[in-house]
Amino acid sequence: AQKVTQAQTEISVVEKEDVTLDCVYETRDTTYYLFWYKQPPSGELVFLIRRNSFDEQNEISGRYSWNFQKSTSSFNFTITASQVVDSAVYFCALSEASTNAGKSTFGDGTTLTVKP
Amino acid sequence: KAGVTQTPRYLIKTRGQQVTLSCSPISGHRSVSWYQQTPGQGLQFLFEYFSETQRNKGNFPGRFSGRQFSNSRSEMNVSTLELGDSALYLCASKGSGELFFGEGSRLTVL
Repeated sequence: AQKVTQAQTEISVVEKEDVTLDCVYETRDTTYYLFWYKQPPSGELVFLIRRNSFDEQNEISGRYSWNFQKSTSSFNFTITASQVVDSAVYFCALSEASTNAGKSTFGDGTTLTVKP
Repeated sequence: KAGVTQTPRYLIKTRGQQVTLSCSPISGHRSVSWYQQTPGQGLQFLFEYFSETQRNKGNFPGRFSGRQFSNSRSEMNVSTLELGDSALYLCASKGSGELFFGEGSRLTVL
């Protein structure tokens, strides 16, 4: 069975601080996909990034960066110089390669509050 | 490009009733998935449809059902509603590898 753990339920930072959201996953599959989604108050989840299990290269996109470490089954997400607009619930998700993203297992989410 | 559209956005039902929720995926997307989101259980996978066929199913009772039409639009139905069915129901269409979600249908069961 697959499992995604986001140990941080809530994080509060002051604007311009860096913040890292942790994600640890469990799967027996050798090929799988990892995702991060953002859920603003409006409700819809917004896709941020997808990672294949065979691609451990870290990625940076503007103020966002992701650190994928297969050895520790972790896929952490860092926001640099946080902004108030980053306030949202962030979800880490995992899916088998065979089903792709259609059937994803989500973590419980981390609520990030960025104060001005 | 229009996003995923879900209707209705909000609805209130009473126990024992049934409800049908609708989802229109992004044009060209053939896979539609449904998720239930509650404060206690988080995001849980209900089922996925692809080309009018159910491709995957989560661990929900038979009261939860769905279907997909030839234009890829999907509906999900919950019969004999229970208080615990109160939730945000999210529909997602699948792009090349990621999910694009709608804003959800918030169901309240009284």
